[in-house]
Amino acid sequence: QKEVEQNSGPLSVPEGAIASLNCTYSDRGSQSFFWYRQYSGKSPELIMSIYSNGDKEDGRFTAQLNKASQYVSLLIRDSQPSDSATYLCAVNPLGGSARQLTFGSGTQLTVLP
Amino acid sequence: SAVISQKPSRDICQRGTSLTIQCQVDSQVTMMFWYRQQPGQSLTLIATANQGSEATYESGFVIDKFPISRPNLTFSTLTVSNMSPEDSSIYLCSVERGDEQYFGPGTRLTVT
Repeated sequence: QKEVEQNSGPLSVPEGAIASLNCTYSDRGSQSFFWYRQYSGKSPELIMSIYSNGDKEDGRFTAQLNKASQYVSLLIRDSQPSDSATYLCAVNPLGGSARQLTFGSGTQLTVLP
Repeated sequence: SAVISQKPSRDICQRGTSLTIQCQVDSQVTMMFWYRQQPGQSLTLIATANQGSEATYESGFVIDKFPISRPNLTFSTLTVSNMSPEDSSIYLCSVERGDEQYFGPGTRLTVT
């Protein structure tokens, strides 16, 4: 059973702070890693993808991947109330062309004004 | 990214009936995926639909309950058959574009 686990929430941070979201995965052969944001009542929206060890930055978002430790994280700098959502970590356990994502249970983030 | 539409956006159905959900993509894609998101839960993959071949179902999902069609490279349907209240969920289609996967807006199904 390939598993993806996320740090349990809910997580609350004050506006302007850094929000840190963590995810671990069980399949050491995983190649692709994704972070989705899901607002209440909406479908998941892809915000970051990462494939190599290290950091990947996109605006206020930074994804970090450590394959040796089997974890991936998402940092949100200068958090805004509009960042309040559930963040889903997703892992492609097969790699190649078969994109069958396994999702974590999600972490609910609330940014307090 | 991809522009994906789903119909209906929501429905309320009686137990024992069936509902067919449509998914339309703005351009051709090889693989389409159907997920279920039960209330308060994360996403679970139901099946993968390739054009011209039978859908591949994940453990716990069977064709008789969730028949899928994929008549062309921009369209797919998922039918939820003989519904029970436990089928109340959001059903999402997704497509692969490059190395990434994008989701449609979802269909919120309530079974009474």
